[in-house]
Amino acid sequence: GAVVSQHPSWVICKSGTSVKIECRSLDFQATTMFWYRQFPKQSLMLMATSNEGSKATYEQGVEKDKFLINHASLTLSTLTVTSAHPEDSSFYICSARNSITDTQYFGPGTRLTVL
Amino acid sequence: AQSVTQLGSHVSVSEGALVLLRCNYSSSVPPYLFWYVQYPNQGLQLLLKYTSAATLVKGINDFEAEFKKSETSFHLTKPSAHMSDAAEYFCAVSLTGANNLFFGTGTRLTVIP
Repeated sequence: GAVVSQHPSWVICKSGTSVKIECRSLDFQATTMFWYRQFPKQSLMLMATSNEGSKATYEQGVEKDKFLINHASLTLSTLTVTSAHPEDSSFYICSARNSITDTQYFGPGTRLTVL
Repeated sequence: AQSVTQLGSHVSVSEGALVLLRCNYSSSVPPYLFWYVQYPNQGLQLLLKYTSAATLVKGINDFEAEFKKSETSFHLTKPSAHMSDAAEYFCAVSLTGANNLFFGTGTRLTVIP
């Protein structure tokens, strides 16, 4: 149990285009999901907290208009990187909070490369 | 405010030897503490968590960690390292259960055959 999937697992796009990443909790409902960014050989940095049916809460320094988050259902949150630039290239990881076990379960990550 | 410090960005042990990964936390209130493992190009997998119950927490794959309030530590141990334990390990702290996790910088464990 407690499986979280992400799609796609990797994506390459041209500068200026937008990329959508999906995060799904497969066997539990998650009112809260989280989006992290991880640079090579570094720790995870929380970007935003996604709450089902309401606006996401962004961490300081994260541009909400660039990183659009939608959490329209209890099992799906999406992160859209708008007008991507090479500096947006990174490993993006989502997690979903299981309220019963009070634990965050992480997806496998999405590697974004912007050319 | 809360934070975690992981001492040693790299740890190498021989196969069969004791694994000790260090984590110290800073928190103004009793924290929730977590250890996660990350294999290359994968997400994080929960090893164990401390939630103010027993101070010695047992996790998956024979890992365990002990919460020591006097030392503000939550070190991760395993009696005997396996080759499959080679990975990146992250300690994390939260004041609100599974919300708002703050991660340490990680420790890369290498297991030498």
